[in-house]
Amino acid sequence: QVQLVQSGAEVKKPGASVKLSCKASGYTFTSYHIHWVRQAPGQGLEWMAMINPSGVSGKYAQKFQGRVTMTSDTSTTTVYMELSSLRSEDTAVYYCTRDHDNSNCNGYWGQGTLVTVSS
Amino acid sequence: DIQMTQSPSTLSASVGDRVTITCRASQSISSWLAWYQQKPGKAPKVLIYKASNLESGVPSRFSGSGSGTEFTLTISSLQPDDFATYYCQQYDSFPYTFGQGSNLEIK
Repeated sequence: QVQLVQSGAEVKKPGASVKLSCKASGYTFTSYHIHWVRQAPGQGLEWMAMINPSGVSGKYAQKFQGRVTMTSDTSTTTVYMELSSLRSEDTAVYYCTRDHDNSNCNGYWGQGTLVTVSS
Repeated sequence: DIQMTQSPSTLSASVGDRVTITCRASQSISSWLAWYQQKPGKAPKVLIYKASNLESGVPSRFSGSGSGTEFTLTISSLQPDDFATYYCQQYDSFPYTFGQGSNLEIK
């Protein structure tokens, strides 16, 4: 079965960077896009970016362009998302998600990683 | 960016009620709309994709309709497990965008 397992919680200081991982299993890794969606405490869902795990292309929400870097390691079927220049507003749960089997919405979700940005 | 507006933001209902949540897009998204259910502390779960397609394993009391700019999620007879927050999402164009959420509470 499809599984997305994310790395553990992080605490970072403002201005630092954080690199999150998302290990995929149960399907052909390069056949589906991986997306990142975040949710600030008590707030709604915010789509951030998407990567083709073959590494060929990515899409970013404009507000994250320049601060988000996504990479993919096909040997370990793991996608990474690095967010730089962290500020307190980046405190959120970050989810990796995979395209749905039959559509391009977010069909499978990881368990989420809490990133706390605090001085 | 395409703006997604859900209504209502909060809805109080009772077990057995029929409930409808509306989602409006700021421009046409054809049928590229998904509905998600989220419970506290959990990742969202897709209920409906491509506006009206029921995700495998999701109870048939959930249904979706609409195209273009106006969409609805209907729960035909609320069950205790349905009290949660619901989000719509357009995936017609990047950046994908979500509605602000509709919190379904027990009356």
